[in-house]
Amino acid sequence: DAKTTQPTSMDCAEGRAANLPCNHSTISGNEYVYWYRQIHSQGPQYIIHGLKNNETNEMASLIITEDRKSSTLILPHATLRDTAVYYCIVRVPRGYQKVTFGIGTKLQVIP
Amino acid sequence: DAGVIQSPRHEVTEMGQEVTLRCKPISGHNSLFWYRQTMMRGLELLIYFNNNVPIDDSGMPEDRFSAKMPNASFSTLKIQPSEPRDSAVYFCASSLARTGAGETQYFGPGTRLLVL
Repeated sequence: DAKTTQPTSMDCAEGRAANLPCNHSTISGNEYVYWYRQIHSQGPQYIIHGLKNNETNEMASLIITEDRKSSTLILPHATLRDTAVYYCIVRVPRGYQKVTFGIGTKLQVIP
Repeated sequence: DAGVIQSPRHEVTEMGQEVTLRCKPISGHNSLFWYRQTMMRGLELLIYFNNNVPIDDSGMPEDRFSAKMPNASFSTLKIQPSEPRDSAVYFCASSLARTGAGETQYFGPGTRLLVL
């Protein structure tokens, strides 16, 4: 797996957009970018994934730079329930590959 | 739809006792993962099954740990004998591995294990 680098923690005001960055400069051409989050005392939850195009679903948007060396997860209107640890992972989609979750970014949404 | 189901949700036991954690993956999924999470080491993959066959158990810490998947709808993780350092949250996850598609893992709520 390509390694990822994320800030340890971030704050975001409730109702504002939360932009969580991830660097993956060693990503290879067939690796996807995945985002998961873990709310306190719960199991990790899948958010979104993409290869090179920007993606959007009901939870978030994923912006991947043209060179694919970094990406940003966007929560458009953060709520208190979005307070969690957010993990950025890169991996190939086919077959088995050991997934390393790393430390992630602790997002604190502030009232 | 039922997600990944784990039992028990909490387990307190004494050192030396056998502990068995159970997991029911999402119906139709063909891959199952066991993870362990601690404050010190974060989320670690212990073992991965595909079509009920163990593919990678390199994360299993030692021989005291064993995992089985007798059928597509059930898996167990056993610790015998348990030790205080095994105290952690154990997560089970499942996914549907398909060629050419992203493999998204869905996690259960976890089992919080405390070994005294």
